[in-house]
Amino acid sequence: QKEVEQDPGPLSVPEGAIVSLNCTYSNSAFQYFMWYRQYSRKGPELLMYTYSSGNKEDGRFTAQVDKSSKYISLFIRDSQPSDSATYLCAMSFGNEKLTFGTGTRLTIIP
Amino acid sequence: IAGITQAPTSQILAAGRRMTLRCTQDMRHNAMYWYRQDLGLGLRLIHYSNTAGTTGKGEVPDGYSVSRANTDDFPLTLASAVPSQTSVYFCASSDPGKGYTFGSGTRLTVV
Repeated sequence: QKEVEQDPGPLSVPEGAIVSLNCTYSNSAFQYFMWYRQYSRKGPELLMYTYSSGNKEDGRFTAQVDKSSKYISLFIRDSQPSDSATYLCAMSFGNEKLTFGTGTRLTIIP
Repeated sequence: IAGITQAPTSQILAAGRRMTLRCTQDMRHNAMYWYRQDLGLGLRLIHYSNTAGTTGKGEVPDGYSVSRANTDDFPLTLASAVPSQTSVYFCASSDPGKGYTFGSGTRLTVV
């Protein structure tokens, strides 16, 4: 079993819809949780960074962490075609070495 | 523009040849990393460096070596390339509490 599990998709939703992306993990020692967005043929870019459990909102994006369930989510509201990308979850113990999910490929249909 | 520069952007390499992938950052981050990204496997850590002068092995270090002579540069060397090293390679650096900054990647094909 992988330490971090992420559904690879692909996921296609119409423009304007709410998107929900999720990861589960097995190691309860993870403390820091991130979401990265990766456009085709580009490097990943940091989207959201959270510590421990709770919610964090940034514009149309909301990250949720439920440590009791070992489950993290990223919500995208009012999705746009420019949100079409691969989304990677990542987490760490605090020593900065990240463990990544395999990524979910998202397409927003105009 | 502050960030990470990787070179080359892409390369086709004959099996058995030696190659160095270059990575330079201008953010003065202490920690740097090399990952490979393969379809279905995601990003896997090859080597890392917590600070200049130190390096460590990641999840898939075999066939690769790194050095960290100074803060800015973190080259990755394939001593004798094999086809299984065909991949996209990403260099990254990190600032405590702020996640990683990635380069644009090097697409390597070993034939």
